[in-house]
Amino acid sequence: SQQGEEDPQALSIQEGENATMNCSYKTSINNLQWYRQNSGRGLVHLILIRSNEREKHSGRLRVTLDTSKKSSSLLITASRAADTASYFCATDSSNTGKLIFGQGTTLQVKP
Amino acid sequence: NAGVTQTPKFQVLKTGQSMTLQCAQDMNHEYMSWYRQDPGMGLRLIHYSVGAGITDQGEVPNGYNVSRSTTEDFPLRLLSAAPSQTSVYFCASSYSPGQGRAQHFGDGTRLSIL
Repeated sequence: SQQGEEDPQALSIQEGENATMNCSYKTSINNLQWYRQNSGRGLVHLILIRSNEREKHSGRLRVTLDTSKKSSSLLITASRAADTASYFCATDSSNTGKLIFGQGTTLQVKP
Repeated sequence: NAGVTQTPKFQVLKTGQSMTLQCAQDMNHEYMSWYRQDPGMGLRLIHYSVGAGITDQGEVPNGYNVSRSTTEDFPLRLLSAAPSQTSVYFCASSYSPGQGRAQHFGDGTRLSIL
């Protein structure tokens, strides 16, 4: 079963614009992670946020977590063509490493 | 650093054949796992291991076997391939998940069952 639902499924923006992706989940979690997947490649870890955290930053990435709404968002600022990829949220309900992934958001950044 | 290495990258099988997908990591990670990714879907956990000699089932384990005789290797065996097992398979590893750890993924094995 899919824990996370991501919105939108696809997003197309111009270089320099900001991109926001949302993730909703169903059960309580210990941490939520965001991954990027370039076409034909494996997933690359971007950022992890724990259930007692509300916001984290990493370079041009900003992640928020609202456990009351069971939702998270990933903001990529000043996007670049190289950010074109699929982005997945994944939840870990018990810090066991058993991740449950959302369906992903496909981001296209046009030069 | 090689990271997580998966072989083969591509494979075509006939229904009923068996095969082993290889996964090796050189980061001394305790935790390893196998996922499958189907079109339009996120990854689903097949099996995982918290250390050598210890394995457990994930969300979709039927039709697959695993073993973990060393820290480095975590092969996935398809016992009798079925068309429903056509998918892209990813192996991942991390330090003990404890307080939440980033997982490192291989580049996948693209498997087609005819």
